[in-house]
Amino acid sequence: KAGVTQTPRYLIKTRGQQVTLSCSPISGHRSVSWYQQTPGQGLQFLFEYFSETQRNKGNFPGRFSGRQFSNSRSEMNVSTLELGDSALYLCASSRSAELSYEQYFGPGTRLTVT
Amino acid sequence: AQTVTQSQPEMSVQEAETVTLSCTYDTSESDYYLFWYKQPPSRQMILVIRQEAYKQQNATENRFSVNFQKAAKSFSLKISDSQLGDAAMYFCAYRSLTGANSKLTFGKGITLSVRP
Repeated sequence: KAGVTQTPRYLIKTRGQQVTLSCSPISGHRSVSWYQQTPGQGLQFLFEYFSETQRNKGNFPGRFSGRQFSNSRSEMNVSTLELGDSALYLCASSRSAELSYEQYFGPGTRLTVT
Repeated sequence: AQTVTQSQPEMSVQEAETVTLSCTYDTSESDYYLFWYKQPPSRQMILVIRQEAYKQQNATENRFSVNFQKAAKSFSLKISDSQLGDAAMYFCAYRSLTGANSKLTFGKGITLSVRP
């Protein structure tokens, strides 16, 4: 069974641009969560989607948004990029939204903002 | 809000020895999950072990075991017979069972190196 895939793996953008990251969950998984990982702040929760609906959102500005498609694939978008948005963005999928289910992480997308 | 604290940023262990990674958390809830995740240099985060707060018995997965002290809000990971492949960053994480919030709250992580 294929794991969680994220594309692209690496991305370089300049300040003010916008970026879209993609996450394909494990087949059969319907819940997708996004996390931002930086050396200073560690791992922080961005948002979670289940069945195309955003269930939870972390404490990030409105420049960070996401969506989920009917096939459970998810995208996150960051508009008006800032230097501080440079991070590893991790996607995690889970079979359902039930809290007992394990989250499986993808390899991440390394975003560098210059 | 829940917080997770990993106070040791780095640790080192000799191959075949045992090492314990510390984690404390703060919560007012009585039911929750605790996790240890491993993130090797390749960056793929994988689950090492999980503990349900309502279970008194400490979780064990092969060479990995936890010491869960609910009253003290402590959740340490013991790695026995350390192997070179255990070198990675280890994160302690908390998940609430209240409401529909399935987010993971992570500690800052600890970098474990294994000396041959």
